[in-house]
Amino acid sequence: AQTVTQSQPEMSVQEAETVTLSCTYDTSESDYYLFWYKQPPSRQMILVIRQEAYKQQNATENRFSVNFQKAAKSFSLKISDSQLGDAAMYFCAYDTGNQFYFGTGTSLTVIP
Amino acid sequence: DTGVSQDPRHKITKRGQNVTFRCDPISEHNRLYWYRQTLGQGPEFLTYFQNEAQLEKSRLLSDRFSAERPKGSFSTLEIQRTEQGDSAMYLCASSFTGPPADTQYFGPGTRLTVL
Repeated sequence: AQTVTQSQPEMSVQEAETVTLSCTYDTSESDYYLFWYKQPPSRQMILVIRQEAYKQQNATENRFSVNFQKAAKSFSLKISDSQLGDAAMYFCAYDTGNQFYFGTGTSLTVIP
Repeated sequence: DTGVSQDPRHKITKRGQNVTFRCDPISEHNRLYWYRQTLGQGPEFLTYFQNEAQLEKSRLLSDRFSAERPKGSFSTLEIQRTEQGDSAMYLCASSFTGPPADTQYFGPGTRLTVL
């Protein structure tokens, strides 16, 4: 069965520092997509970054980057120069086009 | 484009009542998804449509749940004979299939409380 595991329920980071959120997944598929979504308190989920499994190059979006290790089925998110507005719940998600799974989330606190 | 909208934002109902939620996707998106999210958990997939066709349903979607997307635009999710365990946030998302492959855009959700 396909699953997504986020082993860090809570993380904290000092403002301006770097933090890495972990995600592993289990799948028998070879073609799929991986996402990180951010859900601020009482606000809707928004896309942070996406990665196509067929691409070897790690995706980057400004201060956000991923470390995608396909063989290890690992997809971690690195946030550089953390800002107060980065405080939120972060969800890792796996999408084959017909199957969609989210992890249980990591709550990120940014300390001023 | 104003994004994905959901109505109502909050619904309180008594056990045994039926409820219906509406989702309006981003206008050019052909896929629409429903998820359920309980406190402290990630979204759990319920079902999705491509245009008006319901292509996949989760085992989580009991017979009391039904979803429609009659004209390939907005969708409704109905829960019949609600139970306290149905209390959750119901999220809708939409996407467009095609290169680059779909990214789901989420609505604000409908929070259901069953008393």
